[in-house]
Amino acid sequence: DQQVKQNSPSLSVQEGRISILNCDYTNSMFDYFLWYKKYPAEGPTFLISISSIKDKNEDGRFTVFLNKSAKHLSLHIVPSQPGDSAVYFCAASARSGANSKLTFGKGITLSVRP
Amino acid sequence: KAGVTQTPRYLIKTRGQQVTLSCSPISGHRSVSWYQQTPGQGLQFLFEYFSETQRNKGNFPGRFSGRQFSNSRSEMNVSTLELGDSALYLCASSLPGVSTDTQYFGPGTRLTVL
Repeated sequence: DQQVKQNSPSLSVQEGRISILNCDYTNSMFDYFLWYKKYPAEGPTFLISISSIKDKNEDGRFTVFLNKSAKHLSLHIVPSQPGDSAVYFCAASARSGANSKLTFGKGITLSVRP
Repeated sequence: KAGVTQTPRYLIKTRGQQVTLSCSPISGHRSVSWYQQTPGQGLQFLFEYFSETQRNKGNFPGRFSGRQFSNSRSEMNVSTLELGDSALYLCASSLPGVSTDTQYFGPGTRLTVL
């Protein structure tokens, strides 16, 4: 049973436009959500996170939105740049359990066209 | 501050052998988690160590084991290797605690089982 789902395997956008990456989750115990970016042959790099007590968190070009009732979060990248081309993973954890286990989605490959 | 380091970066083994992978966390981080990444399954949680104790464990067979040393460095061992164990093994470290469980990943060890 996949608890974190990234249903679109890939996304292609034009440089300068907005990229919207979506993620859905099923486990209502999840209360902390993260986005990671991964280049080939490298480990995932932390991008941005959001706690369930918030519905938006912004860091530069990256904004994450959380809709708890829909169990849905999205990552917005504005403006998109060619260097943003990578695989993006959504991850979730249940921090009330005081452990660091992250449950990941299968990732979305973002391609930003110059 | 130096990031998470993993050794070796690449490893080739044959079926039935065993392998040990090493991870050095970011200085000051006491929690170390291990993940397996395969094309079909994405990133899957193996286990987490904190203060030399396994605090959480994923759904992997007993052939997968780990340990953590007093300096927070961690090792992961896989015995009786199978072809399906070919994957990228990622280590992540974090400061333990409810509000600081963002995990930072190393570059990974690419294991190929022939």
